[in-house]
Amino acid sequence: EVQLVESGGGLVKPGGSLRLSCAASGFAFSTYTMNWVRQAPGKGLEWVSFVRANTDSIYYADSVKGRFTVSRDNAKNSLYLQMNSLRAEDTAVYYCAREGGVCDGTNCYTGYFDSWGQGTLVTVSS
Amino acid sequence: QSALTQPPSVSGAPGQRVTISCTGSSSNIGAGYDVHWYQHLPGTAPKLLIYGNNNRPSGVPDRFSASKSGTSASLAITELQAEDEADYYCQSYDNRVGPYVFGTGTKVTVL
Repeated sequence: EVQLVESGGGLVKPGGSLRLSCAASGFAFSTYTMNWVRQAPGKGLEWVSFVRANTDSIYYADSVKGRFTVSRDNAKNSLYLQMNSLRAEDTAVYYCAREGGVCDGTNCYTGYFDSWGQGTLVTVSS
Repeated sequence: QSALTQPPSVSGAPGQRVTISCTGSSSNIGAGYDVHWYQHLPGTAPKLLIYGNNNRPSGVPDRFSASKSGTSASLAITELQAEDEADYYCQSYDNRVGPYVFGTGTKVTVL
């Protein structure tokens, strides 16, 4: 069974830092692209970042570019999000999500999130 | 402002059919990128409902179906049940503001 468990959330002051972790199990973590998605209170889902399986490609949403850094340790089946210079608007539940991919013989589909963790809450407030 | 626009809410009685629209532009759905749909109950992990425009993962009831045309997509829920009450999001790739973008989300209420 695929499991994704986030940790590391908490209360931090504006300008502070926090490191989120996502422990993966039940699948070949080293072969999957992994993502971070967040949901601010009362708002919708917002994609934050992804890192390809071999880390040769990393992308960020404009809202976090230059402040957040995604990384992974395939030997430990773990995904990380280092968040610096945190702002009130970064307050959200942060989810890690596995990117799915499948081919049905004629078409290949990717760019969707087929497994999600339960999320970890980050609160940025003084 | 999200690149994908959904109605804030839709509602229906048990057993009825509801549809949720997802309106994009030439940089996402209109460019031919696939649309995916998720169900999200507050306090839980979002769940993949539809991938690749109209494909259901195993375990998702066939009451859920989706389609895509032009710069829009839609999700249909037939035989509406109380357990379908949740937030629903579309998602796609965007070559201008992406890579990935979510819709604004739609709350489905079962009357």
